[in-house]
Amino acid sequence: AQSVTQLDSQVPVFEEAPVELRCNYSSSVSVYLFWYVQYPNQGLQLLLKYLSGSTLVESINGFEAEFNKSQTSFHLRKPSVHISDTAEYFCAVSGAGSYQLTFGKGTKLSVIP
Amino acid sequence: DTAVSQTPKYLVTQMGNDKSIKCEQNLGHDTMYWYKQDSKKFLKIMFSYNNKELIINETVPNRFSPKSPDKAHLNLHINSLELGDSAVYFCASSQFGRAEETQYFGPGTRLLVL
Repeated sequence: AQSVTQLDSQVPVFEEAPVELRCNYSSSVSVYLFWYVQYPNQGLQLLLKYLSGSTLVESINGFEAEFNKSQTSFHLRKPSVHISDTAEYFCAVSGAGSYQLTFGKGTKLSVIP
Repeated sequence: DTAVSQTPKYLVTQMGNDKSIKCEQNLGHDTMYWYKQDSKKFLKIMFSYNNKELIINETVPNRFSPKSPDKAHLNLHINSLELGDSAVYFCASSQFGRAEETQYFGPGTRLLVL
């Protein structure tokens, strides 16, 4: 069985400030880790994912996440946020050989001008 | 062109009615999914089909029945709607349904049962 915990349900942050959205997972098998973003009234879209190799993965819009196996974490960071980053962010995990993607409960990032 | 589309976008109906939500993907993917997102934004898998074959069927009331006429379509039929069925329903697809693949989501269908 696998599960995901997103420790913060809401994160308000001022524009141009750094942000970290926390995600911890549990799984009995090797994992693949994902961050999806949901803008208001839209479907989810992939932000970035870790499959193997370098533990630091980056997105095209400045977000990055680091896979930490010993701490079973996959925290998402951005050094300077924009108003347009306001959205709900979901961490998700799937296990090798599994069809199923398990989502965390989401973190609402609100960027304050 | 929209990769994963759903109709309708909004659905308001009375308790006890039967309704369907349609989903189509033009990505050529083999696997499609239905998710339910509740009022607290929690997203949970309901069903998954791979090449028209059911592969995931989570604990969902049997009032919910998915149907896949071909691998580009996965429809969701709901009988005897209840207040608790109010939610946003998302369709998604992925290439082969493998764990490492990106899932592509539709815009969602907002269902309100009165």
